[in-house]
Amino acid sequence: QKEVEQNSGPLSVPEGAIASLNCTYSDRGSQSFFWYRQYSGKSPELIMFIYSNGDKEDGRFTAQLNKASQYVSLLIRDSQPSDSATYLCAAPRMDSSYKLIFGSGTRLLVRP
Amino acid sequence: GAVVSQHPSRVICKSGTSVKIECRSLDFQATTMFWYRQFPKQSLMLMATSNEGSKATYEQGVEKDKFLINHASLTLSTLTVTSAHPEDSSFYICSARTLGTSYTDTQYFGPGTRLTVL
Repeated sequence: QKEVEQNSGPLSVPEGAIASLNCTYSDRGSQSFFWYRQYSGKSPELIMFIYSNGDKEDGRFTAQLNKASQYVSLLIRDSQPSDSATYLCAAPRMDSSYKLIFGSGTRLLVRP
Repeated sequence: GAVVSQHPSRVICKSGTSVKIECRSLDFQATTMFWYRQFPKQSLMLMATSNEGSKATYEQGVEKDKFLINHASLTLSTLTVTSAHPEDSSFYICSARTLGTSYTDTQYFGPGTRLTVL
């Protein structure tokens, strides 16, 4: 079983809609989770991290963590075409907490 | 804050030559830097972890003699791809770890280096 799993997509949403990206993880001991955005041909950029159960909001982005169900999600409100990118979920590795393991990413397409 | 630079951004070289890639943390000290490789339409794969003042640790399957890593200072790590071959063509990305509590350690990525070996 992969440690971090994401649906590869593409997830297509109209401009202005809420985009919901999901990620599941296998290590119950994981404490923190990261969402990165990667535009085509570019390197990942950190959007936000979360380590407490519940929601964490930052502008149009909301990360949600449910440790009991072992999933973390990212909501993007008022989606814009510029949000079209691949979103990577990451969690600390089981063998080394300061190394990250990345999901394969979900490609988001926001239609104008 | 937490800016990481990488140089060069793009390099094309002949098979058999060596290529050096630099990764710098510009506004913070990074005791740990990471080197990733990403092939088209695939996710990031960690190659090695670079610790200032000590030997790098390599992931399984990564040849340490082919991918030489030097972390000479708290702001600079270099990756040298020795005797590069076409199959080494990839997007190489470094990241630097900022220190916080173990819950808030984060990695910030450099812009990446696209290597093409002819």
